Amino acid sequence: GAVVSQHPSRVICKSGTSVKIECRSLDFQATTMFWYRQFPKQSLMLMATSNEGSKATYEQGVEKDKFLINHASLTLSTLTVTSAHPEDSSFYICSADDTESGVYEQYFGPGTRLTVT
Amino acid sequence: GQNIDQPTEMTATEGAIVQINCTYQTSGFNGLFWYQQHAGEAPTFLSYNVLDGLEEKGRFSSFLSRSKGYSYLLLKELQMKDSASYLCAVRDYNAGNNRKLIWGLGTSLAVNP
Repeated sequence: GAVVSQHPSRVICKSGTSVKIECRSLDFQATTMFWYRQFPKQSLMLMATSNEGSKATYEQGVEKDKFLINHASLTLSTLTVTSAHPEDSSFYICSADDTESGVYEQYFGPGTRLTVT
Repeated sequence: GQNIDQPTEMTATEGAIVQINCTYQTSGFNGLFWYQQHAGEAPTFLSYNVLDGLEEKGRFSSFLSRSKGYSYLLLKELQMKDSASYLCAVRDYNAGNNRKLIWGLGTSLAVNP
């Protein structure tokens, strides 16, 4: 159980365009999902916490108008990178709490590698 | 504030035992997690400690001392596939969002034949 999927796994886009990444919890309901970014050989950087039915909570330094997060249902959260630039190229990973486990461990999606040309 | 420290890199030999340490400082400790991450992949959950003591799960064990702000991950009978980054993360209920994890920078473990 506790499987999280992400789509797409890889995407290449041109500078100035927008890209949407989907994160789904397949076999459990996730009231909270997390969006991370990871640059090569660096640790995870939490971008925002996505709450079902309410606004996302962004970490300091993350532009909420550039990284749009929507958590419309208990199984789906989306991250849209707007007006992408080459410096936005990174590995984007989502995760979700499995609250029924009692541990609130985070299960991660497989990640989306974004390349902006 | 919040701070998590773990060694940047470690090297070990196949079949051996390795211990990866993690020290943390938080105001409202609410659990410590260890994750494994292979290059280019997402992290996978290894262990969770919220009370003092040792949690054993197969070849992997994790220890916690809350009074010392200290944890370690013990890997036994190392295999080549254990070469990965090991991330220590702490949940802090005073972090503004009591569901998020505070992450260490990870320990890159290389297992040599």
